[in-house]
Amino acid sequence: NAGVTQTPKFQVLKTGQSMTLQCAQDMNHEYMSWYRQDPGMGLRLIHYSVGAGITDQGEVPNGYNVSRSTTEDFPLRLLSAAPSQTSVYFCASSYSNGARGETQYFGPGTRLLVL
Amino acid sequence: RKEVEQDPGPFNVPEGATVAFNCTYSNSASQSFFWYRQDCRKEPKLLMSVYSSGNEDGRFTAQLNRASQYISLLIRDSKLSDSATYLCVVYSASKIIFGSGTRLSIRP
Repeated sequence: NAGVTQTPKFQVLKTGQSMTLQCAQDMNHEYMSWYRQDPGMGLRLIHYSVGAGITDQGEVPNGYNVSRSTTEDFPLRLLSAAPSQTSVYFCASSYSNGARGETQYFGPGTRLLVL
Repeated sequence: RKEVEQDPGPFNVPEGATVAFNCTYSNSASQSFFWYRQDCRKEPKLLMSVYSSGNEDGRFTAQLNRASQYISLLIRDSKLSDSATYLCVVYSASKIIFGSGTRLSIRP
């Protein structure tokens, strides 16, 4: 049971490049989400999904796309990278969105630097 | 006003000390409360949920005060390994909100 996995661990991009951050979980969780973490800002929700085929925007969705074709995978796409997207990105999964106290399980994170 | 607010610290305390953090939340209808722990350059992990009646897990005690809209975390007999950032997490209005964290450093 690998839990939540993320690739890559580190990435350097040039402004304007696109890339996809991969996230997968093997716990059969319906709810998956992407966060970015910046110093002093805490974790901010980018996009989330309540199940395969269903996605929705979080607090800071601009510049990012997501899709959920399977229960296991939830990739995050940066369409045209900007220096403001330099951050640490965490993927998380759980049985639900926390309404009943479900634990959020996080992946190890992807550190992204946009030059 | 932020929906979830924490004192960023850092709290720097000697080993064996007792330390407490508070976290305030703005939505009185918030339903679930948690403390997560995040080690340097690692992912957050659940430390404990916070129940209305309060709960204890070894050296850690969490309490909820709905009237004043805050939750607290008390760490007794602190260890060097307790050094980390502690994130307050609130489920409110159909979303999970993370505080920006309180940094704790335990010195020998």
